[in-house]
Amino acid sequence: DADVTQTPRNRITKTGKRIMLECSQTKGHDRMYWYRQDPGLGLRLIYYSFDVKDINKGEISDGYSVSRQAQAKFSLSLESAIPNQTALYFCATSDFGPGEGREGRETQYFGPGTRLLVL
Amino acid sequence: SQQGEEDPQALSIQEGENATMNCSYKTSINNLQWYRQNSGRGLVHLILIRSNEREKHSGRLRVTLDTSKKSSSLLITASRAADTASYFCATDTGRRALTFGSGTRLQVQP
Repeated sequence: DADVTQTPRNRITKTGKRIMLECSQTKGHDRMYWYRQDPGLGLRLIYYSFDVKDINKGEISDGYSVSRQAQAKFSLSLESAIPNQTALYFCATSDFGPGEGREGRETQYFGPGTRLLVL
Repeated sequence: SQQGEEDPQALSIQEGENATMNCSYKTSINNLQWYRQNSGRGLVHLILIRSNEREKHSGRLRVTLDTSKKSSSLLITASRAADTASYFCATDTGRRALTFGSGTRLQVQP
């Protein structure tokens, strides 16, 4: 979805390096999410943000940090990359979040993903 | 284990046939959503069904929800080669995040 962009699309890095994955959206959504997908598995939530000042840990936040620079931008950092962080990373946005009960407006819109390889 | 578990893990059918995939979950939900993922790409939302709904249609998609059995099914009728993708269910349990299942990989043979 061109409304949600991620950079870089592919990245190879070495163990111990700090890297940042960036996400930008033009949908005007307040809610943004970072997920990780491993081969053959579903998505696991790393961090989510319901607005610029509301950032929360997800299921697997250890080893990751995030920054919500503006409504439209949500960055994910790996402070010291390790090989088991090799995965496909997705950013997503939504108008309203899970549990908010807003009819039809909880749909999440995903970016194209960043494929990360940690050697 | 995951809140949502899809079954089967993989499904291969011929074009024109129907494809059915199932999702089971463990805790009560506000709604259940189905997403599609083409190989290596971002997920795309297909349909959302609320806990007080039993069936919903969208084009060739039919979703059912049985809250007593904590399960949902996605039926794709008259499948096409372009339907080849992975399909994920995601549950909204009232927490501030969706929980995704591990997906069903659908292969539609032309």
